[in-house]
Amino acid sequence: DTGVSQNPRHKITKRGQNVTFRCDPISEHNRLYWYRQTLGQGPEFLTYFQNEAQLEKSRLLSDRFSAERPKGSFSTLEIQRTEQGDSAMYLCASSPGGTSTYEQYFGPGTRLTVT
Amino acid sequence: AQKVTQAQTEISVVEKEDVTLDCVYETRDTTYYLFWYKQPPSGELVFLIRRNSFDEQNEISGRYSWNFQKSTSSFNFTITASQVVDSAVYFCALRCTETSGSRLTFGEGTQLTVNP
Repeated sequence: DTGVSQNPRHKITKRGQNVTFRCDPISEHNRLYWYRQTLGQGPEFLTYFQNEAQLEKSRLLSDRFSAERPKGSFSTLEIQRTEQGDSAMYLCASSPGGTSTYEQYFGPGTRLTVT
Repeated sequence: AQKVTQAQTEISVVEKEDVTLDCVYETRDTTYYLFWYKQPPSGELVFLIRRNSFDEQNEISGRYSWNFQKSTSSFNFTITASQVVDSAVYFCALRCTETSGSRLTFGEGTQLTVNP
């Protein structure tokens, strides 16, 4: 059994470039979440999928951000025209379905540095 | 809107001391869930405990214990006989299913350092 995995673990990019991150949830978890964590802060919610449907989006998710979860399995988070303010750790989490009471299990994160 | 406050930014103790991490939350929901996560230096958030709003029974798991008090909107976490391996950032989080769906709202975390 494996936990939530994320790739890449680190990404350095130049301002204005596009980046894409991947998250593979725990198998059989039909809920998947993306959070962003900046240095010294707690994670902030970005978006949530139940199976392939994107059900919630935060105000933090600007037009430059897009997330997908084709076929309800892995998910990708794309940031277009990156800005230095996008530098952060991007965390993915998954949880079982059924009810919304379950805890979320987090992956190791992708650390993005925009230069 | 919901909010989680962890007033202690950093705590430093000597090994074997007991330490309590405070968490105060705000919500108008009658049904909600509280969580504690640990983030060691490796960075991965590790789930520790979940409590729901209608169960105020305190819980103990080994050296860890949690005190949930609705009257003061607090969900404090105590580590007994702390160890160096307990050094990490600890986050308290809140889920308000009535108003905020499935998202977790995190506090800013408490950096715990346990010195040998």
